[in-house]
Amino acid sequence: AQRVTQPEKLLSVFKGAPVELKCNYSYSGSPELFWYVQYSRQRLQLLLRHISRESIKGFTADLNKGETSFHLKKPFAQEEDSAMYYCALSPQNTGNQFYFGTGTSLTVIP
Amino acid sequence: DTGVSQNPRHKITKRGQNVTFRCDPISEHNRLYWYRQTLGQGPEFLTYFQNEAQLEKSRLLSDRFSAERPKGSFSTLEIQRTEQGDSAMYLCASILEGSYNEQFFGPGTRLTVL
Repeated sequence: AQRVTQPEKLLSVFKGAPVELKCNYSYSGSPELFWYVQYSRQRLQLLLRHISRESIKGFTADLNKGETSFHLKKPFAQEEDSAMYYCALSPQNTGNQFYFGTGTSLTVIP
Repeated sequence: DTGVSQNPRHKITKRGQNVTFRCDPISEHNRLYWYRQTLGQGPEFLTYFQNEAQLEKSRLLSDRFSAERPKGSFSTLEIQRTEQGDSAMYLCASILEGSYNEQFFGPGTRLTVL
């Protein structure tokens, strides 16, 4: 069965410090991985997806199939990065189902 | 177009009552998803439509839950004989096919079952 694990419910870092939000998954095929973000009082929105290998708002994430991980990283955290972050998986790039982790609440301390 | 909309935004009901939620996706989006989210959890997949066809349904979805998308535009999610455990945020999302599966989420409907 597919599963997405985000081991940290809460994460606090100081402004300017590096940040890494962990995501591990279990899936036997070729998944498509995403990071979604929810800022305070806003709706869930896509931050980035592994297939496009892009950097959004300074965030990057690399799919490591050997370690079945898709950690989200940013070298210098900003206060506006404070939000809830969800890692999500879609099996076999079908877009038929999406499985979300439990989320990590990131707080950037000024 | 202002994005995915959901109505109502809040619903309080008594146990045993039926409730219906509506989702209006972005107009050209042919894929529509329903999720349930409880406190401290991520969105949990419930069901998926491609146009008017319901193609996927979670095994966790009770028979009391039913969803429709009759004309391939808006969708409704009905919960019959609500239970206190149904209290949650119900989210709708839509995707434009060919857009690398970027989901656009609605604001959600918060259901409270007393």
